[in-house]
Amino acid sequence: DGGITQSPKYLFRKEGQNVTLSCEQNLNHDAMYWYRQDPGQGLRLIYYSQIVNDFQKGDIAEGYSVSREKKESFPLTVTSAQKNPTAFYLCASSIGVAGAQETQYFGPGTRLLVL
Amino acid sequence: KNEVEQSPQNLTAQEEEFITINCSYSVGISALHWLQQHPGGGIVSLFMLSSGKKKHGRLIATINIQEKHSSLHITASHPRDSAVYICAVRFFQMNRDDKIIFGKGTRLHILP
Repeated sequence: DGGITQSPKYLFRKEGQNVTLSCEQNLNHDAMYWYRQDPGQGLRLIYYSQIVNDFQKGDIAEGYSVSREKKESFPLTVTSAQKNPTAFYLCASSIGVAGAQETQYFGPGTRLLVL
Repeated sequence: KNEVEQSPQNLTAQEEEFITINCSYSVGISALHWLQQHPGGGIVSLFMLSSGKKKHGRLIATINIQEKHSSLHITASHPRDSAVYICAVRFFQMNRDDKIIFGKGTRLHILP
């Protein structure tokens, strides 16, 4: 079955630690995205990638880093510079970025809690 | 200022009621999406619209480009429809990739 997987489902981080959230897709999609969701707010774009070895900052990239070494994988690292990392993180993918008709497919999400 | 506004924020209804969720936006768009987020957090894309109306089962989505408004309707609502419904708009940016803005969502609770 094709889809997007995220792991872990829940993640606890101590202050000052970096943590990496995993996102894998087997849909053969070129584009992948990371969003952050906070209570009472719409999803906000952290980073996106249109193709392997390329990625672009979204609206709230500060305190985060990503890599795209393989087409199917787009891990997100939440660094200690992110002052308020507790949130629900969603990964998504689409065939491409530029088309007006692109549908994004979402993973199940990772809930990050800073202790 | 959020350029996508959804109403209502919360909606509780009885089973079988006809449900309407509204989305208004302030920018010219190339497409509008309706998404469903289940209590566990997973998101499913329901519709993508650039004009007119689409129907899938008990769900109907309409869009009025001139009025910058879209509605999502659920007929014969059922408790399993309980979820957060999110409106998202995609718009063109000169010399940049398309941008997507998400609404804050409408939390729907259908009582048996």
